[in-house]
Amino acid sequence: GDSVTQMEGPVTLSEEAFLTINCTYTATGYPSLFWYVQYPGEGLQLLLKATKADDKGSNKGFEATYRKETTSFHLEKGSVQVSDSAVYFCALSDPGGSQGNLIFGKGTKLSVKP
Amino acid sequence: DAGVIQSPRHEVTEMGQEVTLRCKPISGHNSLFWYRQTMMRGLELLIYFNNNVPIDDSGMPEDRFSAKMPNASFSTLKIQPSEPRDSAVYFCASSQGSQETQYFGPGTRLLVL
Repeated sequence: GDSVTQMEGPVTLSEEAFLTINCTYTATGYPSLFWYVQYPGEGLQLLLKATKADDKGSNKGFEATYRKETTSFHLEKGSVQVSDSAVYFCALSDPGGSQGNLIFGKGTKLSVKP
Repeated sequence: DAGVIQSPRHEVTEMGQEVTLRCKPISGHNSLFWYRQTMMRGLELLIYFNNNVPIDDSGMPEDRFSAKMPNASFSTLKIQPSEPRDSAVYFCASSQGSQETQYFGPGTRLLVL
């Protein structure tokens, strides 16, 4: 079935460092790809999304490009802030697949130190 | 819009008691999801509804768990009887279609003693 694999955390960075969180996927069709963020004590919220190959999603300085050739959707940010400390989830939806809902990765915890 | 509303936000109960969690999805959304999140198991999909109809309940742990959606604006997740291993954060989410962006509620933090 469809699946999402994220790099395991936790990831600890200093403020203003460059961030990459890797995400790869397996899907039978042409999925849409998502990054969600969960701040401490809150629910998940959509950070960005991309619906087709080569699309780039961006929001709040975060970017991710839908790479069909490598089945990847890595999350990047050029300069992280303490306020970016959260858990990040990669997810996919596959209209042609057997699962009728979003498939989430296990999450990657990011801690940014001042 | 008020977003997805969940109640209660916190619940502490004793083993064996019945627990009912409530969710009001975003108006106009026709898909509703219940998730459970724990440190050990991460985020797990329990059940989801399309147009008030349960589509996939394969994630429901066992017969002690049940979920209903009597109308488009309300859903419940019930645990009876509750056990300490049910302690977790339970999230409700809604979307305009099961493959679309999901909007999560703030969660209910359940502690079963």
